[in-house]
Amino acid sequence: DTEVTQTPKHLVMGMTNKKSLKCEQHMGHRAMYWYKQKAKKPPELMFVYSYEKLSINESVPSRFSPECPNSSLLNLHLHALQPEDSALYLCASSQETGLHSMNTEAFFGQGTRLTVV
Amino acid sequence: AQSVTQLDSHVSVSEGTPVLLRCNYSSSYSPSLFWYVQHPNKGLQLLLKYTSAATLVKGINGFEAEFKKSETSFHLTKPSAHMSDAAEYFCVVSGDNFNKFYFGSGTKLNVKP
Repeated sequence: DTEVTQTPKHLVMGMTNKKSLKCEQHMGHRAMYWYKQKAKKPPELMFVYSYEKLSINESVPSRFSPECPNSSLLNLHLHALQPEDSALYLCASSQETGLHSMNTEAFFGQGTRLTVV
Repeated sequence: AQSVTQLDSHVSVSEGTPVLLRCNYSSSYSPSLFWYVQHPNKGLQLLLKYTSAATLVKGINGFEAEFKKSETSFHLTKPSAHMSDAAEYFCVVSGDNFNKFYFGSGTKLNVKP
């Protein structure tokens, strides 16, 4: 199984709503990622979890709150979003490798298309 | 520091003709390099990767790329384009922080009948 599964595929939410994006992988990967992708742009890294601990936060606003309940699951909790937060949110996972060693690839989910109204 | 430059934002080819998508990188360490493809409203699919083995890397769907350290390049090629190759292509380099992947700005490939 080389899949990263994201739910939901589409989400429309109001600016006062609270919602969550979910991501699951069963490849035994211990690094998991959230990326945000605006139209016609490359993905931008938001968060990285390593062994279920937050290792990188790319100065993301606090209205985005990540959570890694176990080694297979990654959530992104959303609250009080703005219309400019509308984007494709991609989850990815990869094997952990030693520092400065050659990296393995990241496996990406299909994404959640988020629209904030 | 790591960075990636994709030299063309758009490339247009006719079906059956060769494809060349260009990528240059900058890395403080021996890099791992990847090419991903993204079809509209989809996630990213790995085409191929270079991780210090053979410099000519073969990937899926007939794509290949050559790692040239002297030129700091990792260009993606395919001998004969197919209509289904029309998509956005991203060149990616991994960082010295092994949990960071740096994306190029992307190249949109258009394939004409």
